[in-house]
Amino acid sequence: DIQMTQSPSALSATVGDRVTITCRASRTISTWLAWYQQKPGKAPNLLIYTASSVQDGVPSRFSGSGSGTEFTLTISSLQPDDFATYYCQQYNSYPWTFGQGTKVEIK
Amino acid sequence: EVQLLESGGGLVQPGGSLRLSCAPSGFTFSSFGMSWVRQAPGKGLEWVSVISSNAYATYYADSVKGRFTISRDNSKNTLYLQMNSLRSEDTAVYYCAKAKGPGNGFYDYWGQGTLVTVSS
Repeated sequence: DIQMTQSPSALSATVGDRVTITCRASRTISTWLAWYQQKPGKAPNLLIYTASSVQDGVPSRFSGSGSGTEFTLTISSLQPDDFATYYCQQYNSYPWTFGQGTKVEIK
Repeated sequence: EVQLLESGGGLVQPGGSLRLSCAPSGFTFSSFGMSWVRQAPGKGLEWVSVISSNAYATYYADSVKGRFTISRDNSKNTLYLQMNSLRSEDTAVYYCAKAKGPGNGFYDYWGQGTLVTVSS
């Protein structure tokens, strides 16, 4: 199975900060990677797919990049609505696997 | 508007069985792959299973292979997850999710989840 490792596991940031979350795959997954946002008690929400394609309706401050084994999710200017947990997910080979999550908290 | 409504969760004893259902609306169900993803209390997301649009292909996480069965009835617009030989570690909120693309790899709509608790 492909292991997905996110860093950091948690971070504290202020509104307006640029935030970057990294996701590393245990072997190459090309660009078969998605990012989700999840708020407490809610279902996940798709942000990014194929590593850099932004889902319809997602604010332009969210962007994704990377290929192979290293990927990043960037929030260009953190907004109050962005405090949540973020997950990466590979869909290069079964079983699909998620990273352990990165919790973005208010500093 | 796309909606996914899960049902069938509840309390079950270890070794027991449960069948989850997911009733979608707002899109052509028979045209999209569907998955189940779970989340144990306070933990991260775990992909469980996927089924292709025509039900010809199914895949499972190693942790549930041989115990869980995903199926769908396109005539009834319903997705199922039959869970047998349940263990305490299967306790989680189970989400059904609609695949966005033809590869069934990522999910653009999710249900609100149904809680399964495995305990004696």
